[in-house]
Amino acid sequence: DVKVTQSSRYLVKRTGEKVFLECVQDMDHENMFWYRQDPGLGLRLIYFSYDVKMKEKGDIPEGYSVSREKKERFSLILESASTNQTSMYLCASSLPGRRAYTFGSGTRLTVV
Amino acid sequence: EDKVVQSPLSLVVHEGDTVTLNCSYEVTNFRSLLWYKQEKKAPTFLFMLTSSGIEKKSGRLSSILDKKELFSILNITATQTGDSAVYLCAELCTGANSKLTFGKGITLSVRP
Repeated sequence: DVKVTQSSRYLVKRTGEKVFLECVQDMDHENMFWYRQDPGLGLRLIYFSYDVKMKEKGDIPEGYSVSREKKERFSLILESASTNQTSMYLCASSLPGRRAYTFGSGTRLTVV
Repeated sequence: EDKVVQSPLSLVVHEGDTVTLNCSYEVTNFRSLLWYKQEKKAPTFLFMLTSSGIEKKSGRLSSILDKKELFSILNITATQTGDSAVYLCAELCTGANSKLTFGKGITLSVRP
């Protein structure tokens, strides 16, 4: 069974900390995505990547960066966590041009 | 302005009821319309609709796309408590490296 694995299910961090959210997929997918999901706002795209070392900004990239050093791993980085980054973070992957994303189970991040 | 608009945002029904969930989208570079179901964790893929007027069906769930009026509906008949979830609609636009744009989601609660 294909998988997208997010390293942490729940995470609590302090304001100002540097936070790494890791996502690994075992399907050899080129495309990987990071979304955040908030009540009343739905899923909003933060960053995405179409290949190793490539990245593109989504709709809400401010306060975030990403790293894709290997095809299977896509990391989301909060350089200096703030309380407004408290959210559910979802990673997804897909093949180029394919419509169905495979999602990870999500990381619920709380910044205190 | 939102590109994908879902309605209603929440819905409470009783077991056995039939529900219709709505999704409207923008036409610019439209390729496909997708529906996902999200329970506590990762969204799971339900349907992809590309052609107008062709119903997709899976058990008690069905969906159809109207490309003239730019909307899709997801129907659930004989609802069960296990249908309680957030239902997400997403638009996929053209391009080899296209990405999904999600609506805010519809929270469906099915009461016994």
